[in-house]
Amino acid sequence: KQEVTQIPAALSVPEGENLVLNCSFTDSAIYNLQWFRQDPGKGLTSLLLIQSSQREQTSGRLNASLDKSSGRSTLYIAASQPGDSATYLCAVEYGNKLVFGAGTILRVKS
Amino acid sequence: NAGVMQNPRHLVRRRGQEARLRCSPMKGHSHVYWYRQLPEEGLKFMVYLQKENIIDESGMPKERFSAEFPKEGPSILRIQQVVRGDSAAYFCASSAVQGATDTQYFGPGTRLTVL
Repeated sequence: KQEVTQIPAALSVPEGENLVLNCSFTDSAIYNLQWFRQDPGKGLTSLLLIQSSQREQTSGRLNASLDKSSGRSTLYIAASQPGDSATYLCAVEYGNKLVFGAGTILRVKS
Repeated sequence: NAGVMQNPRHLVRRRGQEARLRCSPMKGHSHVYWYRQLPEEGLKFMVYLQKENIIDESGMPKERFSAEFPKEGPSILRIQQVVRGDSAAYFCASSAVQGATDTQYFGPGTRLTVL
């Protein structure tokens, strides 16, 4: 069964702190892995996409890594800001579909 | 280039009525995906369509739910005889190609409330 797990479920940090969100998946036969951001009552915004042959991707203060063999990905956020407060979703693509984790709710306090 | 469009954004139905949710993919995209997000749960895949074809409907409930993506016009997710458990956010995504090289772009979602 293809399952995606995210840890922690919620995280509250002071502004300026560096933080790491974790994602693990049970089936390593992935096409790619994506990290999304979802604001309350809103849609999804794609942050980073890592193809199965890649090990990491970077965009601004965000860095995502992928270790297919161990079934893990991390999203690193540097110098967090209150505007980073949102739910972060990890999604693994298997063929025709994305399998999502339950998300990490991040709150950055000013 | 407009993003993925979904309408309506909010839909209220009484038990037993029909709900029709529309999704217009991004320009040039011929692959459409529907996902459902139940309250306090993650997003779950429902169905994957290309123009005039259902490719993968492994996540669709067996009864009352159907989807189409006609040659012309938006993709439609249809829920017949809605029940309270159908209350959820329904998201549509589109991509230009299927597979590893292209991300799925998500619409803002339709929030269905069944009274």
